[in-house]
Amino acid sequence: SQQGEEDPQALSIQEGENATMNCSYKTSINNLQWYRQNSGRGLVHLILIRSNEREKHSGRLRVTLDTSKKSSSLLITASRAADTASYFCATGLRGYSSASKIIFGSGTRLSIRP
Amino acid sequence: GAVVSQHPSRVICKSGTSVKIECRSLDFQATTMFWYRQFPKQSLMLMATSNEGSKATYEQGVEKDKFLINHASLTLSTLTVTSAHPEDSSFYICSAGTSGGWNEQFFGPGTRLTVL
Repeated sequence: SQQGEEDPQALSIQEGENATMNCSYKTSINNLQWYRQNSGRGLVHLILIRSNEREKHSGRLRVTLDTSKKSSSLLITASRAADTASYFCATGLRGYSSASKIIFGSGTRLSIRP
Repeated sequence: GAVVSQHPSRVICKSGTSVKIECRSLDFQATTMFWYRQFPKQSLMLMATSNEGSKATYEQGVEKDKFLINHASLTLSTLTVTSAHPEDSSFYICSAGTSGGWNEQFFGPGTRLTVL
């Protein structure tokens, strides 16, 4: 089963514009992570935001987390052609006795037009 | 960051054969490893969670007798797809994590399985 739903499913923007992707989830979480995946390739970890954090930055990436609304957003500023990929949010569920499982959202396919 | 490897990266096999995929944590000890499957243009679906030295916990709908998981050490987990069929063709990705704290996981590069 999937924990998260992402919106939009697909997004096409002009190079240089900002891209915003949203993720909603259902249960309490330990952390939320965003990953990028180029077609047919492995995952690239972008950023992890913990449940007690509200915003985090990494280069051109900005992630927000609203645990009251069970939602997160990923903003990519000044997009580049190389940002074309699928983006997934993944929620880490609460649990400390062993590594807790991560459940992936449905993903957003981002296309950057030159 | 921590490194997780998978072997092989790509495998093609005949229908009815069994295929073993290895997942290794190279520079840390993983108390738990996870196996995911990803069909084309879909998200990753968690198949099972394995803890070192104990039986794997499978997600609903995943056949434990078909997807055998062994986690014999803190650095190695294997997934064996038994009697593979064309519908098992998929991208299989493992991840490794540690207990406590914020439970970060580190993902392998994936294995592309094609069953003819």
